[in-house]
Amino acid sequence: QSVLTQPPSVSGAPGQRVTISCSGSSSNIGAGYDVHWYQQLPGTAPKLLIYGNNNRPSGVPDRLSGSKSGTSASLAITGLQAGDEADYYCQSYDTSLGDWVFGGGTRLTVL
Amino acid sequence: QVQLVESGGGLVNPGGSLRLSCAASGFTFTDYHMTWIRQAPGKGLEWVSYISSSGHTIKSPDSVKGRFTISRDNGKNSLYLQMNSLKVEDTAVYYCARVPATCSRCGDHWGQGTLVTVSS
Repeated sequence: QSVLTQPPSVSGAPGQRVTISCSGSSSNIGAGYDVHWYQQLPGTAPKLLIYGNNNRPSGVPDRLSGSKSGTSASLAITGLQAGDEADYYCQSYDTSLGDWVFGGGTRLTVL
Repeated sequence: QVQLVESGGGLVNPGGSLRLSCAASGFTFTDYHMTWIRQAPGKGLEWVSYISSSGHTIKSPDSVKGRFTISRDNGKNSLYLQMNSLKVEDTAVYYCARVPATCSRCGDHWGQGTLVTVSS
């Protein structure tokens, strides 16, 4: 059972907008710790997509954006493309555990 | 460009030991904290260990505390993970990742991973 909760799967048609939610608690996201998002294409290592809730590393397109409110965060992808098909993970820090914590991952399917 | 290359994975019996290495290049290794993260087959990501740039601060979750030891050799631009008393549930791909100053608890560059299989 992951500390952060994500939906197992989401889907959308090419060109559409999808969001992936990440639910935490008062000891992690709700405590003010930043949320980061990773994309993992099949058979590859995770890649940082969003850091510090809503910042994109260089090279990440502005079709991707992150937000955070209360004990939850979300990743939005607009203009969905076939190449966006991947697993997406949120990550934060939990002050009760003293650990980096991850969501269970969400598989994005482009219809 | 930033490159992280893990090595040392393989098949080991339960109770055995293994030492993973991560060779870093393309950046000033001494400027960055580093971390190990693993992924069991078909499962999600799990943080394994963290070490500060100087090596003076080390953190790890209870699941590996007392069994796994992270270390670094700044002279060799290398990160290590000594794994002892291995359990079947430690089977996973192990990734090393760089921790940037822009987010003190995230990994901005990851290696390709090395597979550790614990089985008799």
